[in-house]
Amino acid sequence: SQTIHQWPATLVQPVGSPLSLECTVEGTSNPNLYWYRQAAGRGLQLLFYSIGIDQISSEVPQNLSASRPQDRQFILSSKKLLLSDSGFYLCAWSERGQTYFGPGTRLTVT
Amino acid sequence: DAKTTQPNSMESNEEEPVHLPCNHSTISGTDYIHWYRQLPSQGPEYVIHGLTSNVNNRMASLAIAEDRKSSTLILHRATLRDAAVYYCILSRIQGAQKLVFGQGTRLTINP
Repeated sequence: SQTIHQWPATLVQPVGSPLSLECTVEGTSNPNLYWYRQAAGRGLQLLFYSIGIDQISSEVPQNLSASRPQDRQFILSSKKLLLSDSGFYLCAWSERGQTYFGPGTRLTVT
Repeated sequence: DAKTTQPNSMESNEEEPVHLPCNHSTISGTDYIHWYRQLPSQGPEYVIHGLTSNVNNRMASLAIAEDRKSSTLILHRATLRDAAVYYCILSRIQGAQKLVFGQGTRLTINP
């Protein structure tokens, strides 16, 4: 069966520091991958999606970037974090009309 | 993206059926109706999706209006674990599935 891993589960980072969140999917090949963010008190927002290696689309202009170096690996990065980057970051993959979300990373920028 | 309209909150009692409504008057012919739910501090969980016909699975049923401008998610016998925010979302199922989450309906289940 398919499994999605995200780490770390929680992260506290100072403003201006870099960020790297990693997501891997097991049990499927060539999945569509996604990064979503849920800011405090707000709805989930799609940040990036990828339909293949090195094929990344950005949905919202922001301080973040995404990369997909391997088929089942999706990375969310930032060179310098802002306070507004705080939130709950979720990696997801989709298949046959269903999207499966990972456990999420709760990021607090101080 | 076509928008959906849901009540902000609903309340029901344990072991009773729950009907969660969703309006999507601008739905296009290729849009599927998806339902996800999110428990506190967790990522969303897929519940059900459909195009035109009513759908049933182990979690819930989806009733779709004949004109497809509205739908209802039915939980046949609510439990306390069904307390969550329920999202009704329109999306294609081919290619990248870009989900647009609204505010959803916060469902409270009373014991």
